[in-house]
Amino acid sequence: QVQLQESGPGLVKPSGTLSLTCAVSGGSVSSSIWWTLVRQPPGKGLEWIGEIYHTGNTNYNPSLKSRVTISVDKSKNQFSLKLRSVTAADTAVYYCATFVARTRIDYWGQGTLVTVSS
Amino acid sequence: QSALTQPASVSGSPGQSITISCTGTSSDVGGYDFVSWYQQHPGKAPKLMIYDVSDRPSGVSNRFSASKSGNTASLTISGLQAEDEADYYCSSYTSSSTLVFGAGTKLTVL
Repeated sequence: QVQLQESGPGLVKPSGTLSLTCAVSGGSVSSSIWWTLVRQPPGKGLEWIGEIYHTGNTNYNPSLKSRVTISVDKSKNQFSLKLRSVTAADTAVYYCATFVARTRIDYWGQGTLVTVSS
Repeated sequence: QSALTQPASVSGSPGQSITISCTGTSSDVGGYDFVSWYQQHPGKAPKLMIYDVSDRPSGVSNRFSASKSGNTASLTISGLQAEDEADYYCSSYTSSSTLVFGAGTKLTVL
């Protein structure tokens, strides 16, 4: 069973870049599935951020597209998120997950809270 | 992309059945049979309960069922149990090849 572990700084300054890494265990990031990221502001709902395949193909939420980059590192069996020009509105729990058939999310990481504050 | 529309809250007594609706458009819910439902308990990651409109992953109770009609999908939980109290989110594949979630519904078991 695939397991995902998010890691990254818990605090980011406004206008800075949020960087998050998703380590994959129990499986390979090069397998024939897509990987995805979802976020959830405190007390609010889920928001899909984007997806990546091991070939590097990506697709992003239109509302975040101008600020987001998702990349994959096969050598480290992980994928990563960069979100630029962050504001307090980007404060959220960020989840890494598997994106089966690019339509459903079956395995989720435990999530990591990232706070944007000076 | 706009969030799918769900009721903010629903409630029911143990043993009863409840239904949660999820309304989108022809560009998402109505256009594809790729609606999923997730259960989320406080402080936990979401859990997939239903996929492809009405399929249950292995291990999910058959008390959970779902369907779709037009632009609206529905999740039904029968034989309500205290452990079902949680937030429920729907999601749908979209015509832009993205995923959109519903705003979420808080289920209270009275």
